[in-house]
Amino acid sequence: NAGVTQTPKFRVLKTGQSMTLLCAQDMNHEYMYWYRQDPGMGLRLIHYSVGEGTTAKGEVPDGYNVSRLKKQNFLLGLESAAPSQTSVYFCASTKGFSEAFFGQGTRLTVV
Amino acid sequence: TQLLEQSPQFLSIQEGENLTVYCNSSSVFSSLQWYRQEPGEGPVLLVTVVTGGEVKKLKRLTFQFGDARKDSSLHITAAQPGDTGLYLCAGARSGGYQKVTFGTGTKLQVIP
Repeated sequence: NAGVTQTPKFRVLKTGQSMTLLCAQDMNHEYMYWYRQDPGMGLRLIHYSVGEGTTAKGEVPDGYNVSRLKKQNFLLGLESAAPSQTSVYFCASTKGFSEAFFGQGTRLTVV
Repeated sequence: TQLLEQSPQFLSIQEGENLTVYCNSSSVFSSLQWYRQEPGEGPVLLVTVVTGGEVKKLKRLTFQFGDARKDSSLHITAAQPGDTGLYLCAGARSGGYQKVTFGTGTKLQVIP
């Protein structure tokens, strides 16, 4: 009963390096989301997808790219990491608008 | 983007005490959710309220949606150490879950 799984759980990057965060869900949900969580800021939406092959920008998309090649996977990419991207990243999925199921998060530090 | 303001930001209480967390906005929401997030984990849904004035109870937790659907409160009776965590409210407007706005969070610590 995995739900939403994120990899990796922790990562340290140097400024300018790139990386990809992977999110996988096994609930056959159409909708998937990437958020970042910073102290006192709540969860802010980076990008989202309403189905396989489609993506859209959220509230804070700059510096990130996403892809949804398969329904169960949603990838978040950082092409050139910056210290301002130090955060905890959460992936979530929903079946329409209802309950969001979140992954365990990825703690990213950019030095 | 309108953030949902939560208060207090931090709360440290003794086991057995009561507490109330507030979630306020100037925007009207079609529904409001409350999540609890434990350290190292993602948020988990506690409740969804959809009608102005609605009150829902989940064991020792009581959730209320304001009459004007701009605010909500979470009251915990006789807090337990297992209630420790970050509580997040999330307000929804029409147009899908991507329109959900999350609150700033209340970090609760219940001391045995």
